[in-house]
Amino acid sequence: QKEVEQDPGPLSVPEGAIVSLNCTYSNSAFQYFMWYRQYSRKGPELLMYTYSSGNKEDGRFTAQVDKSSKYISLFIRDSQPSDSATYLCASQMDSSYKLIFGSGTRLLVRP
Amino acid sequence: SAVISQKPSRDICQRGTSLTIQCQVDSQVTMMFWYRQQPGQSLTLIATANQGSEATYESGFVIDKFPISRPNLTFSTLTVSNMSPEDSSIYLCSVEWDGGQFFGPGTRLTVL
Repeated sequence: QKEVEQDPGPLSVPEGAIVSLNCTYSNSAFQYFMWYRQYSRKGPELLMYTYSSGNKEDGRFTAQVDKSSKYISLFIRDSQPSDSATYLCASQMDSSYKLIFGSGTRLLVRP
Repeated sequence: SAVISQKPSRDICQRGTSLTIQCQVDSQVTMMFWYRQQPGQSLTLIATANQGSEATYESGFVIDKFPISRPNLTFSTLTVSNMSPEDSSIYLCSVEWDGGQFFGPGTRLTVL
């Protein structure tokens, strides 16, 4: 079993839709949770960074962590074609710099 | 965030040869990391490189295959040695900065 699981998609939505991207993880020692966006042939770009459970909002993006169910979510409001990319979730333990990544979900926002 | 550049951006190499990838950061950072992203798979940490000490390798990665240098706080190199087609991948460096990890653009390596 992978430590971080993510549906590869692709997920196709119309412009303006609310997008929900999700990951599950198995290691209860994970304390930090990140979302990265990766455009084709580019490096991952850090979008959101949360510690432990709770919500964090940044513009159109909301990250949500539920440690009781080991579930990580990223919501994108008013999605735009420029949001079309692969979204990677990652988890990290308190005692380590090592990031454990999901395999990524490819998102396509149709104009 | 820190600005990270990598050279080369891509290369095609013959099996049995070696390639050295460079990573340059615009700020001094303590922690630098090298990841591999194989086609259709998630990023996997190869090693952590701190300035002034030997790199720390993850399980499944060895120094003879992936030697790393970290001569100062803004630069690191990763060498992929004695390459085989299985080494075809994207290699990314990242840095720890202001509580987050930021990635370079990656080096796309194809081994024939």
